[in-house]
Amino acid sequence: QKEVEQNSGPLSVPEGAIASLNCTYSDRGSQSFFWYRQYSGKSPELIMSIYSNGDKEDGRFTAQLNKASQYVSLLIRDSQPSDSATYLCAPRAFKAAGNKLTFGGGTRVLVKP
Amino acid sequence: DTGVSQDPRHKITKRGQNVTFRCDPISEHNRLYWYRQTLGQGPEFLTYFQNEAQLEKSRLLSDRFSAERPKGSFSTLEIQRTEQGDSAMYLCASSPRGVNTEAFFGQGTRLTVV
Repeated sequence: QKEVEQNSGPLSVPEGAIASLNCTYSDRGSQSFFWYRQYSGKSPELIMSIYSNGDKEDGRFTAQLNKASQYVSLLIRDSQPSDSATYLCAPRAFKAAGNKLTFGGGTRVLVKP
Repeated sequence: DTGVSQDPRHKITKRGQNVTFRCDPISEHNRLYWYRQTLGQGPEFLTYFQNEAQLEKSRLLSDRFSAERPKGSFSTLEIQRTEQGDSAMYLCASSPRGVNTEAFFGQGTRLTVV
């Protein structure tokens, strides 16, 4: 079992629709959860962070966390062509030896005009 | 603050040569991470520093890879005797101290081994 699982996609959504991305993780010690957006050939860009169970909204993005189910999701409302990118889920556990982020393989999103 | 800075942005090297990359984190960020990313994959953890101490290193990292952060500020990643399989994007990230803090990435160094 991979530490962080994401559907690789591509997830194709029409412009203006909602894109729903899912992520499951195996480390129950994970305390912080991050979503990064990565355009082709570029480095990851942080778009959302969530630390408590429930929803967190920031503009068109909503992150949802359920620690009991080891599940985190990202909703993109009113999807735009500029949202076409790969979205990386990254839980982080804090341990004495370190606190690395562990990345999933990413979900590629294609927003069609 | 201009963010995390990596140098060089691109490096082409011949197989067997040594290469060194530099990362300047956001000032006052005491945590620094190195990742490697190949096409179609998520970033793979290489190593982590807290201040100048290297606290974690991936078991997947061969002995040809070494990283330093001598004064707790910038960091270098060296790859000795490069192989074609080392071709990848090398990413550096930094974050401040604290439990719920965010990590920010530099632009990355794209390495091509020919």
